[in-house]
Amino acid sequence: QITLQESGPTLVKPTQTLTLTCSFSGFSLGISGVGEGVAWIRQPPGRALEWLGLIYWDDDTRYRPSLKTRLTISKGSSKNQVVLTMTNMDPDDTGTYYCAHRRLDVSLPRYFFDYWGPGRRVIVSS
Amino acid sequence: DIVLTQSPDSLAVSLGERATITCKSSQSLLYTSNNRNYLAWYQQKPGQPPKLLIFWASTREFGVPDRFSGSGSGTDFTLTISSLQTEDVAVYYCQQYYSTVITFGQGTRLEIK
Repeated sequence: QITLQESGPTLVKPTQTLTLTCSFSGFSLGISGVGEGVAWIRQPPGRALEWLGLIYWDDDTRYRPSLKTRLTISKGSSKNQVVLTMTNMDPDDTGTYYCAHRRLDVSLPRYFFDYWGPGRRVIVSS
Repeated sequence: DIVLTQSPDSLAVSLGERATITCKSSQSLLYTSNNRNYLAWYQQKPGQPPKLLIFWASTREFGVPDRFSGSGSGTDFTLTISSLQTEDVAVYYCQQYYSTVITFGQGTRLEIK
């Protein structure tokens, strides 16, 4: 059974850096996890989903082009964690941040998502 | 980026009636080498993360009731709920995975009339 859980601050100030962690179980992003991937997707209040980026088991990453200079997705210190770092936070970055598991039915490098974390609400305000 | 436009933005349907949501893509999502359309549909209920309903435009995810169906090819796709139930009240999103820069539609809010 695959599960994911986001953690991190609820409130960040403008210009600060946001760091969120996705802790997961039921799959591996290590050498044995060929094809696996974890994505970050956010949702501003009352608005649509917005994909941010994804990391594959082999450390390859993909980023939303408009946010690429602000985003870093990496594996955490624990083997079952993925970390999202977003610099220079702005009130427009307020929203719920989800991590999600890449479905293995689709050939690389493409992705859609079969398991999602419950989301982490992040507010950017001074 | 590939733009997905859903219609309508909101929809009210009577219980037991059919609900139809469309998703139009700015470019074809049909990969000719395997004849598959790279489109998924999700359901999001208030306060919950999205739930995968359909992928490859028409393949129902395991455990999804068969009243949900997906159709279409190329640039025009449809999600149909054949007989609306109260638990189907949600926002529905399409997502393309033809490009590795994935995009979602703006969402369609489905309510009971």
